[in-house]
Amino acid sequence: DAGVIQSPRHEVTEMGQEVTLRCKPISGHNSLFWYRQTMMRGLELLIYFNNNVPIDDSGMPEDRFSAKMPNASFSTLKIQPSEPRDSAVYFCASTVRAGGETQYFGPGTRLLVL
Amino acid sequence: KNQVEQSPQSLIILEGKNCTLQCNYTVSPFSNLRWYKQDTGRGPVSLTIMTFSENTKSNGRYTATLDADTKQSSLHITASQLSDSASYICVVRGGNNRLAFGKGNQVVVIP
Repeated sequence: DAGVIQSPRHEVTEMGQEVTLRCKPISGHNSLFWYRQTMMRGLELLIYFNNNVPIDDSGMPEDRFSAKMPNASFSTLKIQPSEPRDSAVYFCASTVRAGGETQYFGPGTRLLVL
Repeated sequence: KNQVEQSPQSLIILEGKNCTLQCNYTVSPFSNLRWYKQDTGRGPVSLTIMTFSENTKSNGRYTATLDADTKQSSLHITASQLSDSASYICVVRGGNNRLAFGKGNQVVVIP
C-alpha cells in the first residue's frame, strides 16, 4: 500500500491566491483527518470526515478554509484567499474508523504564503 | 492553557544513552494516550497507544508509561540511536473523542 498520498508536497503562493491541497487516504479507511502544524502551535486538528461526511470542523480557523470529501478516496482542503499566517505544514491522515484507531499520516504539504 | 504539556521541549543526547520524555495532561474524561514519532520533513508515526488500564507498553527500544491518576505519561528511549533524532508528540483522546496535542519533544542524538 502506498500509504496516504498528499499533493502538492510544497506550495509557494502569494497572499490572496487560492490554494488547494489534496489527499488520497489509504484504501479501506473510512475516516480522514486534516491537520495543520506550525512551530508555534504544534499539530492542530482542522476537520475530520467519517464515511465522507464532515463530523467535526471546529478546528477550521475561519471561513477562508473549506474542506470536501466527494468520495472515499479523495479529499481537498482549500484556502481562499490565502494569507501569510496560513504558512504551515498541512497533514492528511486516515484511519479505519474514527475513535481509538491508529492514524496514518501522509507526508504533508509545506505551504508558504508570501 | 494547553491541555497537553510536554517536557523537555528539546534535548541532546549521546548515542547509546537513555532518555525520558514527559507528557502531562489535563484532559478529562480520558480515553487513550498515544505517542507519535515525527522525523524531520515527514508525517507523524504512531509508536504506542495506552488506555486507562495500561501502565506500561513497549515498542522495541521505546517504552511508554501511563499514570492515569496523576495524568502523566513518559516515553523512555533505551540505547539511543542516531535514527531516534525526531520530534515525539503526545496526543490525548478525551471521552468526547476530541484530541489534544502536545507541542512535542525535540530529540537530537549525536554520535
